[in-house]
Amino acid sequence: DAGVIQSPRHEVTEMGQEVTLRCKPISGHNSLFWYRQTMMRGLELLIYFNNNVPIDDSGMPEDRFSAKMPNASFSTLKIQPSEPRDSAVYFCASSLGFDRGGYQPQHFGDGTRLSIL
Amino acid sequence: DQQVKQNSPSLSVQEGRISILNCDYTNSMFDYFLWYKKYPAEGPTFLISISSIKDKNEDGRFTVFLNKSAKHLSLHIVPSQPGDSAVYFCAANPGGYQKVTFGTGTKLQVIP
Repeated sequence: DAGVIQSPRHEVTEMGQEVTLRCKPISGHNSLFWYRQTMMRGLELLIYFNNNVPIDDSGMPEDRFSAKMPNASFSTLKIQPSEPRDSAVYFCASSLGFDRGGYQPQHFGDGTRLSIL
Repeated sequence: DQQVKQNSPSLSVQEGRISILNCDYTNSMFDYFLWYKKYPAEGPTFLISISSIKDKNEDGRFTVFLNKSAKHLSLHIVPSQPGDSAVYFCAANPGGYQKVTFGTGTKLQVIP
């Protein structure tokens, strides 16, 4: 089975440019998560969706960040305008959330390494 | 405010010996705990979990212990293998809510 697919794997762009990260969750999963990993703060949850609806976006750092999930098989995280401090690895994860077996763990993609010059 | 803490950033263990990774948490609402393993340039991979109604869960070479009164959990790997060399993240989740809080990770090196 295909896992969570993220694109691009690497992105290098100049400050001020718009950046769009993409994620395809595992088919059948109803929850999708966007994380950012940095040396200073570790793995931080930015936002998560349940059944395509944003549930908790309290981790989104500021208005320059936005996320959408137009359907069950696709999500984007957009940064506009980008700044050097946004440089990090961004992970997408999906899960079944809760089912009869209890809480189901998240499955992560391999991340997008973003560098803002 | 770091609600899930992994105080050891790194750990080195000889192949065949036991690796013990520790994790402390502060939020008493957490009732489900997970360990993830991460190799370089890959996403974290789920390893093992434990519910707060248990104090031990075992899966092959991996055992997780939970001490609720001390708000402490640990991951034991026996015997350790070079392929276990990775960063291990502890994570916690409050019941009925999907938001998972991760620790900062412990880098394990298993020396052949």
